[in-house]
Amino acid sequence: KQEVTQIPAALSVPEGENLVLNCSFTDSAIYNLQWFRQDPGKGLTSLLLIQSSQREQTSGRLNASLDKSSGRSTLYIAASQPGDSATYLCAVSTDSWGKLQFGAGTQVVVTP
Amino acid sequence: DAGVIQSPRHEVTEMGQEVTLRCKPISGHDYLFWYRQTMMRGLELLIYFNNNVPIDDSGMPEDRFSAKMPNASFSTLKIQPSEPRDSAVYFCASRRTATYEQYFGPGTRLTVT
Repeated sequence: KQEVTQIPAALSVPEGENLVLNCSFTDSAIYNLQWFRQDPGKGLTSLLLIQSSQREQTSGRLNASLDKSSGRSTLYIAASQPGDSATYLCAVSTDSWGKLQFGAGTQVVVTP
Repeated sequence: DAGVIQSPRHEVTEMGQEVTLRCKPISGHDYLFWYRQTMMRGLELLIYFNNNVPIDDSGMPEDRFSAKMPNASFSTLKIQPSEPRDSAVYFCASRRTATYEQYFGPGTRLTVT
């Protein structure tokens, strides 16, 4: 059974520092991996999707890497801002239907 | 471009009552997913549809839960009878076949007293 783990559960950094968020999964036979952002009381916003054949994806200040063989993905957020404060979740899909299995998330606070 | 729409946003009901949650996916999306989020269990997939047909309902916790998708623009998740342990935030998400990126609605916060 696929298990998705995110460590740490919470993280606080000063503004301007780079953020590094980790996600690990137990079964390397994934279809893709997605990173989401969730603000309090809101739904999830998709940040990046990495296909199993890809090593990384980039969007603005965000970069996500994928190492399937070791069951890891890392989300980097450069030059963090207070507006980056949110919970970040990773999710893996293990079939073509696209159903997702989520990690518990990392709660990030960026202090001014 | 409207995103995924869910209603109601908040629902408070008494144990034993029937609850119906509603979802309108993004136009043109042919997959629809229902998730539940709790502090204890995180985000869990309940059921998903492709072209209005239920594909996998193995995540539905009990027979008290049922979901329908009568057409491409509307889905319901029903709980009958509701119990306090059903209290959670229920999310609906949709995607197109061509991409795997899922778009989530704002969620319905359900409280069963």
